[in-house]
Formats: sequence, C-alpha cells, structure tokens
Amino acid sequence: AQSVTQLDSHVSVSEGTPVLLRCNYSSSYSPSLFWYVQHPNKGLQLLLKYTSAATLVKGINGFEAEFKKSETSFHLTKPSAHMSDAAEYFCVVRLRTSGTYKYIFGTGTRLKVLA
Amino acid sequence: DGGITQSPKYLFRKEGQNVTLSCEQNLNHDAMYWYRQDPGQGLRLIYYSQIVNDFQKGDIAEGYSVSREKKESFPLTVTSAQKNPTAFYLCASSIVLGGAKNSPLHFGNGTRLTVT
Repeated sequence: AQSVTQLDSHVSVSEGTPVLLRCNYSSSYSPSLFWYVQHPNKGLQLLLKYTSAATLVKGINGFEAEFKKSETSFHLTKPSAHMSDAAEYFCVVRLRTSGTYKYIFGTGTRLKVLA
Repeated sequence: DGGITQSPKYLFRKEGQNVTLSCEQNLNHDAMYWYRQDPGQGLRLIYYSQIVNDFQKGDIAEGYSVSREKKESFPLTVTSAQKNPTAFYLCASSIVLGGAKNSPLHFGNGTRLTVT
C-alpha cells in the first residue's frame, strides 16, 4: 500500500537547538511531498513542498526538508527552534492511484519547545 | 486576500440533530474537500468534489452528506446517523482534483463540533 509514516508522535527540543521531524513514504514512483504545520484549533498551513525539482526544499519560518529517494524519506529540519514553532506537523504525500490523485496524511508529530 | 472561510468556529448540538458546517472559498479552485480530525489519527477524508454538482465519498463518508451547487461553496451536513460526530472538521481546496504539482491543498481554520 502506498502511504506515509511519521516516525515520532512527539518530539521535544530546547529553544535554540535543532529540530528533526522524520517522515518516510512508500510509493511506486516519485510523488509530490508536503509538510504542513497546525497550531491549536487552526487549519493546516503549508510549510514547504517537493515536486521533483531540487531535492533540498526551503520553506517558511526557517524550515527545510530533503527528499532522499534511496531512503524514501522527506525529513523536516530547522537549525534553531523557536518557542513559536511548538505545534503539530503533518507530512503529506500526493499520489496517483486508480486514475486520480489523492493526498495521504501522516498521523502527525507534536513538537514541544522547552525554554 | 483569497482564502477559505469556515463557519462557525465552534458548534454545539444535541444528539439526534443534523447540523451543517459551512465552507466558502474565493480562490477560484475547482476541487474542494472535507476532512475530519481526531486526536492522534491525522486527517481522514469524508467527501470531495472536483466540479459543481459532482462529489464523491471519501474514506469515512457514512453519516455525512454534502452538496456543491456553487463553485465557491461546499457545505457538509453531519447527520444523526453519524455515530461519533464530535470532532474537528477541516475544509480544503486545490486548483484541480489532486492539485497541480505546484498547487497543494489550502485549508480553512476548521469548525470544532461538539455533540452531547
């Protein structure tokens, strides 16, 4: 089955330290991949997207992600965490299946930033 | 600014009552979607529509209904047949069904429905 897996349901980091949120996907071809952020009681905001151009993708708020086909991964990173980064993050894959496109969501990673 | 408006933000209903959640977009997108979000389960697709007067069931359509009479509007009705309606509901849109490669999903701010 084609899917996306977020390896950690919760991640805690100290303010000013690096952030790593992991995402692996399974697909029979190169998909489009996205990372979204969700603050409490809000909708999802797009952080960045990979659409088969550069494998290192830069997004908003200092986040970036690297597409690694050999590892089927699309991990999200940030060099230095800020308190405002505390939120839930979703990895999403867009796949073509049965003649149509679908978005498959990971189960989310809740990021906690400690002062 | 273009975007998706969901209303109301919070909604309370008694068990056995139908309730309709509003979703309006001014992005001129063809495709619209409804997702349900429960803690620890990510987002699950309820219904989607790629053009006016056409819509398809998603993964968890039982107990829900939708209409698409206008391109801008895609209301969701939670019926009394939905066994666990309390959840956070998110409406989204994309340029076309599945999105163009450079056009991802755009989301509204959600409606939190509580049924007692």
